[in-house]
Amino acid sequence: NAGVTQTPKFRILKIGQSMTLQCTQDMNHNYMYWYRQDPGMGLKLIYYSVGAGITDKGEVPNGYNVSRSTTEDFPLRLELAAPSQTSVYFCASSSLSWKSEKLFFGSGTQLSVL
Amino acid sequence: GQQLNQSPQSMFIQEGEDVSMNCTSSSIFNTWLWYKQDPGEGPVLLIALYKAGELTSNGRLTAQFGITRKDSFLNISASIPSDVGIYFCAGQGSGGSNYKLTFGKGTLLTVNP
Repeated sequence: NAGVTQTPKFRILKIGQSMTLQCTQDMNHNYMYWYRQDPGMGLKLIYYSVGAGITDKGEVPNGYNVSRSTTEDFPLRLELAAPSQTSVYFCASSSLSWKSEKLFFGSGTQLSVL
Repeated sequence: GQQLNQSPQSMFIQEGEDVSMNCTSSSIFNTWLWYKQDPGEGPVLLIALYKAGELTSNGRLTAQFGITRKDSFLNISASIPSDVGIYFCAGQGSGGSNYKLTFGKGTLLTVNP
């Protein structure tokens, strides 16, 4: 059971570079989420999706873009990396049920922008 | 937006001791969740609470959904070294966006063997 898989595990970017953080889940979950975690700050929601073709902004969407062309995949795109985007990024998914708050998280991507 | 205050921020305890941590909210939640994050990993769900006053256990962990629906508590009894990690509370509110969670800032637990 793979669950939620994120790649890469670590990445260092230069200011202004772009990259895509990959996320895929094999649980047939409708809902997917991207969070960022900064030290001592908990988890902040960047973007989320309630199904293929549908995405919406979370608390901190600026500087990011997402797409959801399939149920399984939910990539996060950084177009012009900035030092403020140095963080640990977590992808998560949940099923469409009344207890859909049971999020399953990937193991994270640690990103440094220098 | 909704905010959660989680305390304490960090705890350093001896193996065998009991631990308590809590979260309070400025608004009512319908669901309270407690997650644990091991170093280098994503959070994993420990306990989910769905009713005010509910008390739920998972092994040495016990969590309660506060009667006011604005707070929740997590207790760990007889701590062991593998309890080390960051513990997060999360709340799910009411309304149209009820699938989105609000997370506390976490409690960093260190257990000295």
